[in-house]
Amino acid sequence: QKEVEQNSGPLSVPEGAIASLNCTYSDRGSQSFFWYRQYSGKSPELIMFIYSNGDKEDGRFTAQLNKASQYVSLLIRDSQPSDSATYLCAVPRDAGNMLTFGGGTRLMVKP
Amino acid sequence: EPEVTQTPSHQVTQMGQEVILRCVPISNHLYFYWYRQILGQKVEFLVSFYNNEISEKSEIFDDQFSVERPDGSNFTLKIRSTKLEDSAMYFCASSPRGSGELFFGEGSRLTVL
Repeated sequence: QKEVEQNSGPLSVPEGAIASLNCTYSDRGSQSFFWYRQYSGKSPELIMFIYSNGDKEDGRFTAQLNKASQYVSLLIRDSQPSDSATYLCAVPRDAGNMLTFGGGTRLMVKP
Repeated sequence: EPEVTQTPSHQVTQMGQEVILRCVPISNHLYFYWYRQILGQKVEFLVSFYNNEISEKSEIFDDQFSVERPDGSNFTLKIRSTKLEDSAMYFCASSPRGSGELFFGEGSRLTVL
């Protein structure tokens, strides 16, 4: 069973701080990694994706990938209360387009 | 901005009844999906659809489930004989490229009594 694991949280950070969200995956052959944000009672929304080892930045968001250690993280700089949500890590299964989602990390940004 | 639309937003049904959930994907997208999320649990893949046929399905997508694209815009999920454990939020999604870049609808909440 190919797994995607996340700490469920909640992760609480003060407004303006950096939030660091982590995800580990079991399939060493995975090539692409996706971060989704899900507000309570709403549908997932794609934030960003990463394919290559290293960092990828998009505005206040940075995705970091380390394939050797099989983890991917999402950093949110200058966290805002509106960033309070559950962040889902997702990995395609078996080179197809079926995504396996982690259970998500709930982030709370306190004003 | 184009969006995926789903109807109904909430459906309550009796166990054993048939349910059809409807979706209108983004118009220039070619890949369509159904995912579900039981309350408090992970988002789970059900099925993907491309070129008018199922391209992948999960273990959850058994003979009780079917999908159809009856015309150029709608994409439907049918559950033939609902069970209590089918109660969940069902999300339709579409993608332009068939990668993990999914655009989700707002979901249809199914409650089976």
